[in-house]
This record gives sequence, C-alpha cells and structure tokens, in this order.
Amino acid sequence: QVQLQESGPGLVRPSQTLSLACTVSGASISRGDYYWTWIRQPAGKGLEWIGRIYTSGSTNYNPSLKSRVTISLDTSKNQFSLKLNSVTAADTAIYYCARGHQYSYGYVDYWGQGTLVHVSS
Amino acid sequence: DIQVTQSPSPLSASVGDRVTITCRTSQSISNFLAWYQQKPGKVPKLLVSAAFTLQSGVPSRFSASGTGTEFTLTISSLQPEDFATYYCLQTHSLLTFGGGTKVEI
Repeated sequence: QVQLQESGPGLVRPSQTLSLACTVSGASISRGDYYWTWIRQPAGKGLEWIGRIYTSGSTNYNPSLKSRVTISLDTSKNQFSLKLNSVTAADTAIYYCARGHQYSYGYVDYWGQGTLVHVSS
Repeated sequence: DIQVTQSPSPLSASVGDRVTITCRTSQSISNFLAWYQQKPGKVPKLLVSAAFTLQSGVPSRFSASGTGTEFTLTISSLQPEDFATYYCLQTHSLLTFGGGTKVEI
C-alpha cells in the first residue's frame, strides 16, 4: 500500500521560506511511471496545484507560483520536498503531497494526509 | 494555461436525486480529466480517472462521461454519504483543478 506523509514546520514567518518534505512508503520515487506533486488548500477553499517533479528530476510549476517554488527529490530517503519562498498570509493552507501517473492520463491517486502551514508573525 | 470551470456551485439536492456536475475546459484536453470527492477534514478521494474510468470500490451510482472540453460526473441516486465537495482535475497541460461543487442538502 502506497503511503505519503508530509512533514515540516506548522508556522512560518512572513517573507521566510516554507519547507516541507514528503516521505513515500510502499513505492519507490525512482520508478519512472509516476510523478510526485504538491497541492494546497486554504481553509474553506478549493484545491490549488503547486508543482510536480518527475523521477528524471524534471519539474513543472503552477505559473502563478513559479517564481517562488522549488521541488526536489531525495531518492536516498525516498522523499521529495517543497520550498516556497517569500511567503505571505495568503500561503496559509493545508499542503498535500501526492503521486501522479506519468502515463495513463496523468491522474493523481495517492495523497498524504496533509499538513497545515500557518504564515504569521 | 488551461482554465477549468466547474458548475454548479453549490448544488442543493435531496437523497434519491439524480445530480450532474459539469466541468468545462478552455481548450481540448482529450480524456485527461479526473474527478475527486472531498468530505470535510478529509483528503480528496479519486473517483474517476481518464474522464470515465470509475475507480475500484466506487459505487456504481457514480458515472462520468465527456471528452474534449466538456465533462460530467453523475450520481444516479444521491445517498447521504455523497454529500461532499467534488472537484475535477485536468492533467493534459500541467494540472488545474476546477473550483469545486459542494453538494448540499
């Protein structure tokens, strides 16, 4: 059974960098069939895609966040990570990591439980 | 960027109703569309992939169709456990979620 678990600080100061990691179990992030992605959801609002990384290391980002986002892989830990810099209160949200299918129409299947990140001084 | 417009929102319905949710995309995405169900405080659950492929374990009262720019998710007879928010997701070009449809009593 594939499981994903987010980890990282629950509170980030404005203008600082939000850093989260996602640990994957039950699947290898090195397997080329998948991509690994981050999605967020502000309280009471809809889902917003942040970006993804393929096993090759290639990345795609949401154009609205692209200038502030970096996603990376750590195959030795079977983890991938998110960095979002220059955060503001608008970045307060539940952050989910998830797995997507590189083929088979690209859908996202397994999700982490989500971690709430609050941006506040 | 591909825009995804989901309607209606919200959707008021009763147990036993047939309900249909629609997603329209700003350009053709073939069958690169998935549907998710999210209940309060829970993680989104994948219901449908590739526009119409129901995932294992999803009740048969759910069905989905569409291709190109218009897609629908239908619940043939709404059950109490179906009251939730539904999202579509296009994966043809980057990823974009629809705004969500809250199905409420």
